[in-house]
Amino acid sequence: AQKITQTQPGMFVQEKEAVTLDCTYDTSDPSYGLFWYKQPSSGEMIFLIYQGSYDQQNATEGRYSLNFQKARKSANLVISASQLGDSAMYFCAMRGGGAAGNKLTFGGGTRVLVKP
Amino acid sequence: DAGVIQSPRHEVTEMGQEVTLRCKPISGHNSLFWYRQTMMRGLELLIYFNNNVPIDDSGMPEDRFSAKMPNASFSTLKIQPSEPRDSAVYFCASSPIPGNYGYTFGSGTRLTVV
Repeated sequence: AQKITQTQPGMFVQEKEAVTLDCTYDTSDPSYGLFWYKQPSSGEMIFLIYQGSYDQQNATEGRYSLNFQKARKSANLVISASQLGDSAMYFCAMRGGGAAGNKLTFGGGTRVLVKP
Repeated sequence: DAGVIQSPRHEVTEMGQEVTLRCKPISGHNSLFWYRQTMMRGLELLIYFNNNVPIDDSGMPEDRFSAKMPNASFSTLKIQPSEPRDSAVYFCASSPIPGNYGYTFGSGTRLTVV
């Protein structure tokens, strides 16, 4: 079974600083994908970044980067140069392979508040 | 593309009434997902379809919940009878198979059962 764990319920970060959001996962499938989503107070789910289990390099998308450590089963999100608009809930998610098919499972989320 | 379209955006209903939530996925996406979000339980996957066929409904809380996907462009989630504990935001999402980049969420339906 797939499992995603986000151990940080909430955190503060100073504007313009970097912040790392932790995510660990558990799966027995060799092929899987890892995602991060942002949910601002308005409620929509915004896709940020994707990492495939066979990707050799860490994914980056603008100010977002994913620190993928396969042996440790972790996929931490790094947001560089935080902005006030980064204040939101952040969810880590995993797409399984094999019997899990295209199923996307979410962690519990981390609330980030950026301070001016 | 208009994205994933959900209706209604808000629904307030009385306990015991039937509630139907609707979703139109992105054209060409083969997978469709229904999630429920609450403060207590976070984002829960209720059911998902691949090519209009239900693949995993293990997240459906009980028999009061049912979901259908009669064609590639439409799905419904029905609650009958509704209870106050069903109050939540219900999201529909769609993706290609595999969904490496394309898990797109609708705006959600905020359901309140009084």
